[in-house]
Amino acid sequence: SQQGEEDPQALSIQEGENATMNCSYKTSINNLQWYRQNSGRGLVHLILIRSNEREKHSGRLRVTLDTSKKSSSLLITASRAADTASYFCAKAAGNKLTFGGGTRVLVKP
Amino acid sequence: DSGVTQTPKHLITATGQRVTLRCSPRSGDLSVYWYQQSLDQGLQFLIQYYNGEERAKGNILERFSAQQFPDLHSELNLSSLELGDSALYFCASSVGVFEANVLTFGAGSRLTVL
Repeated sequence: SQQGEEDPQALSIQEGENATMNCSYKTSINNLQWYRQNSGRGLVHLILIRSNEREKHSGRLRVTLDTSKKSSSLLITASRAADTASYFCAKAAGNKLTFGGGTRVLVKP
Repeated sequence: DSGVTQTPKHLITATGQRVTLRCSPRSGDLSVYWYQQSLDQGLQFLIQYYNGEERAKGNILERFSAQQFPDLHSELNLSSLELGDSALYFCASSVGVFEANVLTFGAGSRLTVL
């Protein structure tokens, strides 16, 4: 199975609501990254959190990392229709960056 | 525009054929990565090159090969194509050698094998 499994697989919310998605992993990491992919397009890097960090913010994005539980979460606040996309976590360990299966987020106007 | 250029954007071919996908990394990036994205397998790492040399190999089939040229562009060659090779193929680049760097992705090449 892939490292960096996302949960839920799909999420549907109304514009203005918050969206939270989680990522779990199995082995130690150097950092964990979140990427967004609009339908059929390339992935875009959103945020990187290092293993010694617990929380990071970027605009409406908030990422947390709990190394004891081997999990991370991505929170998108005050969602917009333009946030509709798939979100992937990527676990960086040594020389490898392994992507999870992604969370499909639909923001309804 | 991410700065990573992939050609062609779309490609339709038949089983048994061979295709070449091309990638030009973002200016200044020395590492190039190839990923395959299919509905059932997710995003799978294939191979990484750094400054012309192979640095890491993932789930790349023997029918597939890649290289990075002195001008840093890269090509992914897919041969003896099968229906299951239909997928989006992404190239990504980064400044450094370690895959743990932040990656900049191209728009992808959609391959359809009929």
